[in-house]
Amino acid sequence: GENVEQHPSTLSVQEGDSAVIKCTYSDSASNYFPWYKQELGKGPQLIIDIRSNVGEKKDQRIAVTLNKTAKHFSLHITETQPEDSAVYFCAANDYKLSFGAGTTVTVRA
Amino acid sequence: DGGITQSPKYLFRKEGQNVTLSCEQNLNHDAMYWYRQDPGQGLRLIYYSQIVNDFQKGDIAEGYSVSREKKESFPLTVTSAQKNPTAFYLCASSSAGNTNEKLFFGSGTQLSVL
Repeated sequence: GENVEQHPSTLSVQEGDSAVIKCTYSDSASNYFPWYKQELGKGPQLIIDIRSNVGEKKDQRIAVTLNKTAKHFSLHITETQPEDSAVYFCAANDYKLSFGAGTTVTVRA
Repeated sequence: DGGITQSPKYLFRKEGQNVTLSCEQNLNHDAMYWYRQDPGQGLRLIYYSQIVNDFQKGDIAEGYSVSREKKESFPLTVTSAQKNPTAFYLCASSSAGNTNEKLFFGSGTQLSVL
């Protein structure tokens, strides 16, 4: 089955700086890669997703890149703000979603 | 407002007791899921249902049971056979045609053992 590894587990950035989270996957058949944001005490919320036929996707301050050859994908958050502080999960989908262990992002004011 | 409602927010289980977690959605989604979240770990799939009256085991189904008698409802029972039930449980749904894609999650239920 699919195995998704996510790094780093924690990330602290100064407000206004960029944050990058990286994930690798094992199953070359995976074709859909979503990112979820989970705030304290809440359920995860989809923030961006990308399919295997696309190399990059951007939505305002967040972007995701996918390298199918190397089997890794990354989340980029630019101009970080305090409300970006949360736990972020990557996932990969072959016939079911497999989630990474999560990255706790803290934006320092 | 459309969404997914999980109840209760906090639940305590005594030794040998079965408990049921509620999940209701008004998004008219066909597919529903139950995930378990432990600290420092990703979400793990317990059960999922793609249509009413049908459901399949996920990766960690042992000690759990579900039913899907109505499209809107997908309750999860944590049985006494689940020896380590303390976790945060998340229910999710997605629309037909993009199963596993664009999941909508509820706010979760924290289950603890007394």
